[in-house]
Amino acid sequence: DGGITQSPKYLFRKEGQNVTLSCEQNLNHDAMYWYRQDPGQGLRLIYYSQIVNDFQKGDIAEGYSVSREKKESFPLTVTSAQKNPTAFYLCASKGDHSNQPQHFGDGTRLSIL
Amino acid sequence: AQSVTQLDSQVPVFEEAPVELRCNYSSSVSVYLFWYVQYPNQGLQLLLKYLSGSTLVKGINGFEAEFNKSQTSFHLRKPSVHISDTAEYFCAVSVGQKLVFGTGTRLLVSP
Repeated sequence: DGGITQSPKYLFRKEGQNVTLSCEQNLNHDAMYWYRQDPGQGLRLIYYSQIVNDFQKGDIAEGYSVSREKKESFPLTVTSAQKNPTAFYLCASKGDHSNQPQHFGDGTRLSIL
Repeated sequence: AQSVTQLDSQVPVFEEAPVELRCNYSSSVSVYLFWYVQYPNQGLQLLLKYLSGSTLVKGINGFEAEFNKSQTSFHLRKPSVHISDTAEYFCAVSVGQKLVFGTGTRLLVSP
């Protein structure tokens, strides 16, 4: 079945450490997205990519980095510069037209040790 | 800038009662609108979408929504809820290749 796979499901980070969250899709979608979800704040866009080797900052990109070397993969790195990284992270992808919905993975919950 | 407002952060309801979750958006252009559902510790699942045409849109799990252009609303309804409908519901509007989400409404269904 086609879909989006996020790993790991749970992740723990030590102070000063970078961690990378994985997102893989087999839907043949060009566009991919990373969101951060905090209680009561809905989803906030971190980064998005509309095509391989290109990506744009979203509303809360500070302290995060991404790469898009393959169409299927859009990993997110939470750097030590992100001072409050504890959150639920969601990856999504969508087709080319703006009227197509985004499809979401099951998320990664990141916590600080 | 486009925005989405979900005024109710939480809606408690008894099983088999009807429910309406409210969503208002701000836009001066044609929009595409979506409702998503999120169960605990899971991603978002598409419930329904409005692209054009009929203003009454039917989705999965017995949900429907009505697009009202004059009131810039896209309220979600279900005539009879189940315990299993307990979840968080997000309204979203398409802005180019991005989605702008509301802050969500938690639906709490009790027996």
